Amino acid sequence: DIQITQSPSSLSASVGDRVTITCQASQDISNFLNWYQLKPGVAPKLLIFAASKLHTGVPSRFSGSGSGTDFTFTISSLQPEDVATYYCQQCGNVLLTFGGGTRVEIK
Amino acid sequence: QVQLQESGPGLVKSSETLSLTCTVSGGSISNYFWSWIRQSPGKGLEWIGYIYSSGITNSNPSLKSRLTMSIDTSENRFSLRLGSVTAADTAIYYCARLTVISGIYYFDFWGRGTLVTVSS
Repeated sequence: DIQITQSPSSLSASVGDRVTITCQASQDISNFLNWYQLKPGVAPKLLIFAASKLHTGVPSRFSGSGSGTDFTFTISSLQPEDVATYYCQQCGNVLLTFGGGTRVEIK
Repeated sequence: QVQLQESGPGLVKSSETLSLTCTVSGGSISNYFWSWIRQSPGKGLEWIGYIYSSGITNSNPSLKSRLTMSIDTSENRFSLRLGSVTAADTAIYYCARLTVISGIYYFDFWGRGTLVTVSS
């Protein structure tokens, strides 16, 4: 199985701050990594697929980068509506797995 | 815009079978993969399995022996049955569309999720 280590598990930042989340895979997964936003009571949203491609309708302040084993998700300017938990998900093999999640709060 | 809605009992007794249905609207269920994902209280996301519109399935090995998935293209819905449940199966269950492009598997549309509690 491919293990995904996501960090940090939580963070607190001010509106307008740059926020960065990382995911590390236990083996090379090329660009087979996606990022999601989860809020309570709301359908989760796909933000980034294939490591760096922005899903339709997603604001440009969200971005992703990386390949191989190390990946980064960035919110360039944190907004109040970005309070949520963010997850990475790998599809490097047939067993799809998620990172542990990062809770993002406003300071 | 594709929309998904989970439905089913919110309370299931231990050792019994959990059954959920996901109804798809705003698009056809044909020629896509459809998936189930769950989130246990205070924990992260766990992929349960997926089913293609033809009926082909793939599932998490940790659940495979208890899992049955089915699809009804005439009704635009798909279903999950998880047998012999225990308290560890208490979770929010999400259904989602799984899109595959160039080997990248991503969940592009999700339902809001439904909480299923397993009681003793």
